[in-house]
Order: sequence, then structure tokens, then C-alpha cells
Amino acid sequence: EIVLTQSPGTLSLSPGERATLSCRASQSVSFYLAWYQQKPGQAPRLLIYDASNRATGIPARFSASGSGTDFTLTISSLEPEDFAVYYCQHRSNWGNTFGQGTKLEIK
Amino acid sequence: QLQLQESGPGLVKPSETLSLTCTVSGGSISSRSYYWGWIRQPPGKGLEWIGSIHYSGNTFYNSSLKSRVTISVDTSKNQFSLKLSSVTAADTAVYYCASPTYFNWFDPWGQGTLVTVSS
Repeated sequence: EIVLTQSPGTLSLSPGERATLSCRASQSVSFYLAWYQQKPGQAPRLLIYDASNRATGIPARFSASGSGTDFTLTISSLEPEDFAVYYCQHRSNWGNTFGQGTKLEIK
Repeated sequence: QLQLQESGPGLVKPSETLSLTCTVSGGSISSRSYYWGWIRQPPGKGLEWIGSIHYSGNTFYNSSLKSRVTISVDTSKNQFSLKLSSVTAADTAVYYCASPTYFNWFDPWGQGTLVTVSS
């Protein structure tokens, strides 16, 4: 079973700063990785799929890269509404796995 | 615009079976040839995938829950359902249903429903 490890657990930044979140897989997942954003009391929302493709309606300040075992989500300039929890997810023909999440909080 | 809504009891007794239904509106389950999913989130914790179903009825489950999970689909009602048997307090969570998009990623999700396991 593939394990996804996200770091850091919590990231404290100010609006306007750049955020870099990491997701590491225990073995290669190719490009089968997605990123979700979850705000308190809300369902997760898909941001990025297939490692680097922005979902419909997602602002250009969100970008992602990686393949194999190491992936990064970058928010170029934080807006107040970006402070939330971010999860990575891997999908395969055998199942789906989520990382434990990174909480992005206002410094 | 596709919308999903979970429904079912908010309180289930230990050892009983949790049953939830996801009703899809704004589109047909049969129109998406990918897998619809159930995901849960214990209070204050992360996301756990439970299982997924294709409109044909084909399923696959999280191996850690497989012995207790059944997911089914009713295309005539545009619904799919989750049953989780022999529940314990560890099954207390917000349960989400989700639609497949861009092949088999999940979006959108339902708003989620909190199920508490307690006597």
C-alpha cells in the first residue's frame, strides 16, 4: 500500500507570501496525484489533478509539479481565502490514498 | 451543475450497520464512465477513502474496510449507497460522497453528513 506523507504539518505564513507544500509517496505513483483544499466546515475541493493540471476555476496562483515520489503544491501569493488544509491524493486501479494534510495558517 | 447530497441516520449504535445514500442531481450517474466514491473524515482528522463504484455496479474498496463495506448503485434513482457493518466508535466521522472528474479524481463532493456511533 502506498503511503503519502505531507510536510510540513502546519505552515504559518502571511498574505502575499509564497507557500510551498510537499507530498512524498512511499513508492512511485507516476503522475497520479491530486491536491485538494478544505476549509473549515466544508467539503474538499479539487485544485490540481494528474500532478500539475489545474482544475476548472482554480486561480493561476495555484501551481503544482512533480512525478514519481516527490510532489509540490505552490501558491505564489497567498490570498486570505487560501488559508485552509491541503491534502494530496493518489489514485490507482487498486484504490485511493490521501496524505495526512498540511494546515496553512495565517501568521 | 452537478450536486451530490448524502442522507441517512446521524446516530448509529455500536455493532449495527451504518447506511447512507448519495443522491446526484444536475447530471446522470450513468453519464460518467468512471468511479463514484465514498470518503470519510473523523472529527479533527484527515480523509480516508472508503470505496468506489462504477454505474455498472463494479466496485473496489479500501482493504482495511473491505470486510465490512458494501457500496451499491441505483441508476434509476440516480443514487449510490454505502453500508458499513459492525460499526464502532472509530467509525464516527463525516461521510462524503464524491463524483468522478478528469477520469477518476473526486469533484464535486457532497456537503458531508456526520455519523456518530454511540449507544
